[in-house]
Amino acid sequence: AQSVTQLDSHVSVSEGTPVLLRCNYSSSYSPSLFWYVQHPNKGLQLLLKYTSAATLVKGINGFEAEFKKSETSFHLTKPSAHMSDAAEYFCVVTYGGSQGNLIFGKGTKLSVKP
Amino acid sequence: NAGVMQNPRHLVRRRGQEARLRCSPMKGHSHVYWYRQLPEEGLKFMVYLQKENIIDESGMPKERFSAEFPKEGPSILRIQQVVRGDSAAYFCASSPTGTDSPLHFGNGTRLTVT
Repeated sequence: AQSVTQLDSHVSVSEGTPVLLRCNYSSSYSPSLFWYVQHPNKGLQLLLKYTSAATLVKGINGFEAEFKKSETSFHLTKPSAHMSDAAEYFCVVTYGGSQGNLIFGKGTKLSVKP
Repeated sequence: NAGVMQNPRHLVRRRGQEARLRCSPMKGHSHVYWYRQLPEEGLKFMVYLQKENIIDESGMPKERFSAEFPKEGPSILRIQQVVRGDSAAYFCASSPTGTDSPLHFGNGTRLTVT
């Protein structure tokens, strides 16, 4: 069965330091991968998506992610954390044509200290 | 341009009552998806609908849950005879097509069963 694993349930960084949120997925011939962010009591907002074009994907708010097929990873990074980045982040994978049946990771809560 | 609208934002029901959750997709979107988020969990796919059709209900519990997306009006997720385990956040998402377009999520309905 397809799956996605977010390796850390909580990550804490200081403002201005780099952010790394890790994600691994089960291997498949043609996954589409996404990162979504969820602020408290809000819906999910798409940060970025990978659909077999460039392996380095740039998203909103300075985030980017690199698709590494050899490692089946799609880690999310940002060079410098901002207080407003504190939220929960979900790595998501889907296979095949339908974008609806997304498989969500369990999420990583990012805390940003002043 | 309004986003995906879900109402109510919060819903409290006693065990055995019915819960009706509404979702109005973004303008021009004819594909609707429902997801459930349990505490400390990622979102789990429930059902995918197009106007008047259920396309994929593989994530729906076999009993008490139903969904519809009529020709006119919002999509409705209906839970009959609610139990405490139904307490969760229910998210609706929409897209203009069923493939290759990211989903736009609403802010969710938080159902509490007492």
